[in-house]
Amino acid sequence: DIVMTQSPDSLAVSLGERATINCKSSQSVLYNSNNKNYLAWFQQKPGQPPKLLIYWASAREFGVPDRFSGSGSGTDFTLTISSLQAEDVAVYYCHQYYDTPFSFGRGTNLEIK
Amino acid sequence: QIQLHQSGPGLVRPSQTLSLTCAISGDRVSSHTVGWNWIRQSPSRGLEWLGRTYYRSKWDHDYAKSVKGRITISADTSKNQFSLHLNSVTPEDTAVYYCASQEIVILPGASSDFYHMDVWGKGTTVIVSS
Repeated sequence: DIVMTQSPDSLAVSLGERATINCKSSQSVLYNSNNKNYLAWFQQKPGQPPKLLIYWASAREFGVPDRFSGSGSGTDFTLTISSLQAEDVAVYYCHQYYDTPFSFGRGTNLEIK
Repeated sequence: QIQLHQSGPGLVRPSQTLSLTCAISGDRVSSHTVGWNWIRQSPSRGLEWLGRTYYRSKWDHDYAKSVKGRITISADTSKNQFSLHLNSVTPEDTAVYYCASQEIVILPGASSDFYHMDVWGKGTTVIVSS
């Protein structure tokens, strides 16, 4: 099974500053035949289901602000929020859909400093 | 655009069966291009994928090892919905349960590529308690 490890567990960033969240998978989630990384990022606010932000490691879901970006390949990935807004306070999860059982990181709690 | 509407009881007695339903609008449960998943979330286990079903000339399933033997995911084409049944529940099965859909792309040679889970239900809180 693929284990997803996120860091940090929590993060406090000032409004307008950059937030960076890291995710590492226990094995590569890059499928060589199509050169796609089967890695997604979700945002979750209290009382709501996870919301898809990024898929294929770097493709932004329709309607997601362009301050959100994803990068990385193979086993190491990053979610970056370029200029933190108040509405970005949430828990962020990385998720691999390369193979079943699908798995998620434990989450990063993002707060305003 | 797919929408998922969850229903089911919020309280289940220990040793009983947890049953939840996810009603689909915007596509057919028997579509060859969509897979139907169940995920749960608890403070102790985080987000945990439980399993999925999808139709590809027949119904196929994948289940997580953690619940294998206790879980069944089934589809009802007449009601356009899919269901989760988890038997012999214990308090450890207390969680928020979500259904979610993922696109399937049929590849040359009839294999399938499973995409990200992009549409989620709102979640159902299930408490296992006597």
